[in-house]
Amino acid sequence: DAGVIQSPRHEVTEMGQEVTLRCKPISGHDYLFWYRQTMMRGLELLIYFNNNVPIDDSGMPEDRFSAKMPNASFSTLKIQPSEPRDSAVYFCASSFSRDTQYFGPGTRLTVL
Amino acid sequence: GESVGLHLPTLSVQEGDNSIINCAYSNSASDYFIWYKQESGKGPQFIIDIRSNMDKRQGQRVTVLLNKTVKHLSLQIAATQPGDSAVYFCAERGSYIPTFGRGTSLIVHP
Repeated sequence: DAGVIQSPRHEVTEMGQEVTLRCKPISGHDYLFWYRQTMMRGLELLIYFNNNVPIDDSGMPEDRFSAKMPNASFSTLKIQPSEPRDSAVYFCASSFSRDTQYFGPGTRLTVL
Repeated sequence: GESVGLHLPTLSVQEGDNSIINCAYSNSASDYFIWYKQESGKGPQFIIDIRSNMDKRQGQRVTVLLNKTVKHLSLQIAATQPGDSAVYFCAERGSYIPTFGRGTSLIVHP
């Protein structure tokens, strides 16, 4: 298996623009997680899905953030409009049941 | 105002020494624990896990010890190598899904 795949790996955008991050989990995994990592706040859980259904989105910072999982092999995290304080590395992870999470390589987002 | 970053605990060791990274967890009901390694520019990678019905588990050059009495987890790395330099996270599965600690930075000096 190729592992968790994320795209793009790097994204530079201007304040106010819409940003869409993409994730393909490991085949057969039933949980998918979105995290944000910054020097200031460390690794933060934003939202997670179980069998494509959002279970807990309490970590989503505000309404500008939204996440979807239309099928078992694809998820998106969207920021609209983006702000400089959204600059971070965003990780997607997947797991089978509630066990070990396997992380993607991350998307480094810079909002100017 | 001045920005302040997240100050991670740091462990500095010499190449060839054994390293011990500690983690205190919060939930006495946690039943599953995981150690991750995060190298610069990469996502966290699974190293080793342990379930609450065990006290010790060994992998290749790594050993995890679990002390449920004091809610303490440790990761021992034997013969530490420069490639072991990274941030190490422990995660505990308490109420539902695993949650991550703040991490420890391991620096290995050649």
